[in-house]
Amino acid sequence: SSDLTQDPAVSVALGQTVRITCQGDSLTSYSANWYQKKPGQAPILLIYGETSRPSGIPERFSGSRSGDRASLNIDGAQAEDEADYYCNSRDRRANFVIFGGGTRLTIL
Amino acid sequence: QVQLVESGGGVVQPGGSLKISCAASGFTFRSFGIHWVRQAPGKGLEWVAFIRYDGSTQYYADSVKGRLILSRDNSKNTVSLEMTTLKVEDTAVYFCARDPAPSGTYGYLQYWGQGTFVIVSS
Repeated sequence: SSDLTQDPAVSVALGQTVRITCQGDSLTSYSANWYQKKPGQAPILLIYGETSRPSGIPERFSGSRSGDRASLNIDGAQAEDEADYYCNSRDRRANFVIFGGGTRLTIL
Repeated sequence: QVQLVESGGGVVQPGGSLKISCAASGFTFRSFGIHWVRQAPGKGLEWVAFIRYDGSTQYYADSVKGRLILSRDNSKNTVSLEMTTLKVEDTAVYFCARDPAPSGTYGYLQYWGQGTFVIVSS
C-alpha cells in the first residue's frame, strides 16, 4: 500500500479541465511531484516542487498544494494526455521516496 | 542530452540472483544521485533504492531491504543493482532515474531510462 493516496481512475471530455489529486501526510513536509506514464514508455516528470514545470512540458499542466493534498491540473485535456499519472514525494517515515498508487486518466 | 540505459534484465528462478545495470551519459555523472524504481505488471510505480552521488550512502525500500545491494562506479558512469533471494513478486520493469541533486534532497526523479524487465519464475 502507498502512503500517498490517489483516485484509481478519472475521466474527462476532450478539451475540458481535469484535476488529479494526491493526499498524504508527507505532503505537509515535502513537495509533491508529478509524472506521466504511458504503456511501454519511461515515466516523464511533469511537475516538480509542487508547481514548477520542466522545460518542454506543455503549459496546460500545472500543480498546486493545499495542506496534505496536492493536485495536478490539466487545462484543456488532449487525446495524447490519456495515461497514468503518479505523484511522489520524500517520505517522512521509513522509505526515502514514495509514490502514489497512480491515477488512470481517460479522455472521452 | 541526458541518457540512462538499463541492461541485464532476464528470467531468474525464485531464490536466485541477478545484477542489473544503468549506464549514464550526457551529464556529469559523479555529481548526481541515482534512483531505481520498478513497475510490476499491471501495477503502479514503486520506488526501490537510491544511491548518493559519491556512493557513500544507499537507501532501500522496506520491500527489498536486505536483498538488494546498490553500488556505483563513477569512473565508468554506471550504477549496478545486485538483487539476491529474488521472489516472484520482484517481477517488474526496473527503471533507473537521475535525481536533480547529489543527495536526493528534493525527492523527484528528473530523467528516466527505458527500463529492463526482470522476471522471477520457475
